[in-house]
Amino acid sequence: DAGVIQSPRHEVTEMGQEVTLRCKPISGHNSLFWYRQTMMRGLELLIYFNNNVPIDDSGMPEDRFSAKMPNASFSTLKIQPSEPRDSAVYFCASRLSGGAYTQYFGPGTRLTVL
Amino acid sequence: EDKVVQSPLSLVVHEGDTVTLNCSYEVTNFRSLLWYKQEKKAPTFLFMLTSSGIEKKSGRLSSILDKKELFSILNITATQTGDSAVYLCAVINTDKLIFGTGTRLQVFP
Repeated sequence: DAGVIQSPRHEVTEMGQEVTLRCKPISGHNSLFWYRQTMMRGLELLIYFNNNVPIDDSGMPEDRFSAKMPNASFSTLKIQPSEPRDSAVYFCASRLSGGAYTQYFGPGTRLTVL
Repeated sequence: EDKVVQSPLSLVVHEGDTVTLNCSYEVTNFRSLLWYKQEKKAPTFLFMLTSSGIEKKSGRLSSILDKKELFSILNITATQTGDSAVYLCAVINTDKLIFGTGTRLQVFP
């Protein structure tokens, strides 16, 4: 199994630009989670989906952030416009609902906003 | 507000030492508690604890949960340099994980 796939692995952009992060969950997993990790705040849940439907987006910091899951094998997290304080590592994780509760994390996208 | 607090924030030890990492929580709809190890990449799963007083063990690592006092500990015996990492505690609230900020463990030869 390829595991959770994220792209890009690194992204450097300038303030005000749009950033799109991508995630492919493990095949067969029906729950997908987006996290942000910083030194100051640790690992924070931004949003999660069950069966492609957003369940809880209370962790999304503000309207500049949006996430979609158009099908079971793909999700995006978009930041528009980006700001320097968005610099962080963004992780995607997936799991199979109803099974043992183990989330599998992707390798993360390191975002730097200049 | 749900919260998970880990201590200490940072720990420096020598190889062969035994360490104890702490995790306390205040969470509504508690289901289980998980421990993850994070090196320079994504967190990897170590243990899931659901019942009080039952120790989970994997090699030199062990963990136990106290649901009455709302905490868990992770023990690592005979530490090795490869144990150097950030150890994350997370609690399942309904269907999502709430993470602590982690304990950074550094093991020197």
